[in-house]
Amino acid sequence: RKEVEQDPGPFNVPEGATVAFNCTYSNSASQSFFWYRQDCRKEPKLLMSVYSSGNEDGRFTAQLNRASQYISLLIRDSKLSDSATYLCVVATTSGTYKYIFGTGTRLKVLA
Amino acid sequence: DAGITQSPRHKVTETGTPVTLRCHQTENHRYMYWYRQDPGHGLRLIHYSYGVKDTDKGEVSDGYSVSRSKTEDFLLTLESATSSQTSVYFCAITPGLNEKLFFGSGTQLSVL
Repeated sequence: RKEVEQDPGPFNVPEGATVAFNCTYSNSASQSFFWYRQDCRKEPKLLMSVYSSGNEDGRFTAQLNRASQYISLLIRDSKLSDSATYLCVVATTSGTYKYIFGTGTRLKVLA
Repeated sequence: DAGITQSPRHKVTETGTPVTLRCHQTENHRYMYWYRQDPGHGLRLIHYSYGVKDTDKGEVSDGYSVSRSKTEDFLLTLESATSSQTSVYFCAITPGLNEKLFFGSGTQLSVL
């Protein structure tokens, strides 16, 4: 079983739609969680960190459920420019210093 | 943007030759990481460093070695390149544990 798992998609949604991605992780000692965005053939860039209480940044909302070991990303009012691959990242820094990535979920927003 | 540079950006080499990729940072960050990215696998951790001369293996370390003799440089070496090492390699840095990662622009390596 992979340490971090995501639905690869693709998710094809119309502009203005709301879309949600989930990510599960297997290591209960994981301490920090992030969502990254990656455009084709470019380096990943931080979209947002994920905090225990949940957090929002404009149209983006991230949630963490430690009991069930998953994190989620909600995108409201999707824009064409949101088309990208969204990567879930889990940092396990207890006795190690690893940041483990999910394989990513592809999103395509359609006009 | 974080000051992180990868070199070369592109490289084509032959099977069996040694290859070294360089990651250079100007941020004085303690932690540095090498990942490879392949279709269907996402980013997989090769090696990482938590200080000068302090390195450890990631999930796909076989066939790779690393060195970090100074804070700003983290080198990834393929001792004898194989076609299975054709990939995009990303370096990442972070100032502290549980902080966000900043990525370099990547190196596209082709082993023929």
